Amino acid sequence: KAGVTQTPRYLIKTRGQQVTLSCSPISGHRSVSWYQQTPGQGLQFLFEYFSETQRNKGNFPGRFSGRQFSNSRSEMNVSTLELGDSALYLCASSSSGQGYNYGYTFGSGTRLTVV
Amino acid sequence: AQKITQTQPGMFVQEKEAVTLDCTYDTSDPSYGLFWYKQPSSGEMIFLIYQGSYDQQNATEGRYSLNFQKARKSANLVISASQLGDSAMYFCAMREGRGTDKLIFGTGTRLQVFP
Repeated sequence: KAGVTQTPRYLIKTRGQQVTLSCSPISGHRSVSWYQQTPGQGLQFLFEYFSETQRNKGNFPGRFSGRQFSNSRSEMNVSTLELGDSALYLCASSSSGQGYNYGYTFGSGTRLTVV
Repeated sequence: AQKITQTQPGMFVQEKEAVTLDCTYDTSDPSYGLFWYKQPSSGEMIFLIYQGSYDQQNATEGRYSLNFQKARKSANLVISASQLGDSAMYFCAMREGRGTDKLIFGTGTRLQVFP
């Protein structure tokens, strides 16, 4: 079956712009989580969604937002981009969303560069 | 507070030898899950192995095994018979409690396998 699909793979934006990243989970998976990976801060949790509801949010400014649609696809949006937002953004999907499952499948990520 | 510590920034191992990657964790929740992921240079996070806090036996998946010492709060990954393709970043992660898919990651260990 198809894996987790993140689009686009690469993105270059200018400071002050906004960006929307997309994540399509594995068919049947209802839980989607987002992570930011930078050389300095490592992998940091952004937020997680289950059945269109945000269940948890990481310690990021309000410029970072997300949503999940009825088909479980998720988007994250970053407004007023800063140079420090340059990172690899990863999403992960899972089947139960209950925390009992043990397999999280990650997408290949979107590499965002802010210039 | 929940935390994952990986103290080895880099490790070298010769092909066909075994290698142990260290991971310690801190949590006050009796229910948690521990994961190891491999991240090649392409960026995708590849799930390797999982250990639940209530699991009595150490987890094994092919050449990967997890040395789980609950009292010491350690969850070391053992890779037997290393292969050149094992060269990558390795991350230890923890999911704390239930009702969430949020993962806390360590800083990672870069493993290099040489012939």
